[in-house]
Amino acid sequence: DADVTQTPRNRITKTGKRIMLECSQTKGHDRMYWYRQDPGLGLRLIYYSFDVKDINKGEISDGYSVSRQAQAKFSLSLESAIPNQTALYFCATSEPGTSRGKEQFFGPGTRLTVL
Amino acid sequence: AQSVSQHNHHVILSEAASLELGCNYSYGGTVNLFWYVQYPGQHLQLLLKYFSGDPLVKGIKGFEAEFIKSKFSFNLRKPSVQWSDTAEYFCAVNTGGFKTIFGAGTRLFVKA
Repeated sequence: DADVTQTPRNRITKTGKRIMLECSQTKGHDRMYWYRQDPGLGLRLIYYSFDVKDINKGEISDGYSVSRQAQAKFSLSLESAIPNQTALYFCATSEPGTSRGKEQFFGPGTRLTVL
Repeated sequence: AQSVSQHNHHVILSEAASLELGCNYSYGGTVNLFWYVQYPGQHLQLLLKYFSGDPLVKGIKGFEAEFIKSKFSFNLRKPSVQWSDTAEYFCAVNTGGFKTIFGAGTRLFVKA
């Protein structure tokens, strides 16, 4: 079984709809991250969480919110989806302790299309 | 602002050709460096990483990378590519804290 799972894998929605993307991990990691990937732009950090009580904005958090329901679960929400949020979304985890040098483990991604 | 630059967005090679993908970063302090690979339809996975010590690091599948501090570079190399190396490659830099900065990626296509 995959260590980091994301649901759904694909989603098509309309402008203005609320969307939730879910991420679960069995690695026991404290750190979790949400990224979006756009062609030619690489991965950009949306939100990250050190533990259940600690959530931080990344570089492109506008239009997004997150919820860390448990150590193993980290959800990303688009309150009112817009077309420029069409992208591939990745969840990732990393080990506790200082983050320097820590490898991140990625989920399979969710391809979101906003019409 | 800290940034990571990957010089080639698309690279096309024939099998057995040598590969070098460029990566430069902008940060004057201590860094940890990574190369991740994303095979078609799969999630990102770690190819190799540099923390300290020998600046030439070896990763999986015959890949290696060299950290040249004076050039702020961490180029990825492979002496002889295979069709199965077709993928997108991302350079990433951690400068401390919990944020890792990713480059824009290089799409490699290897012709059989």
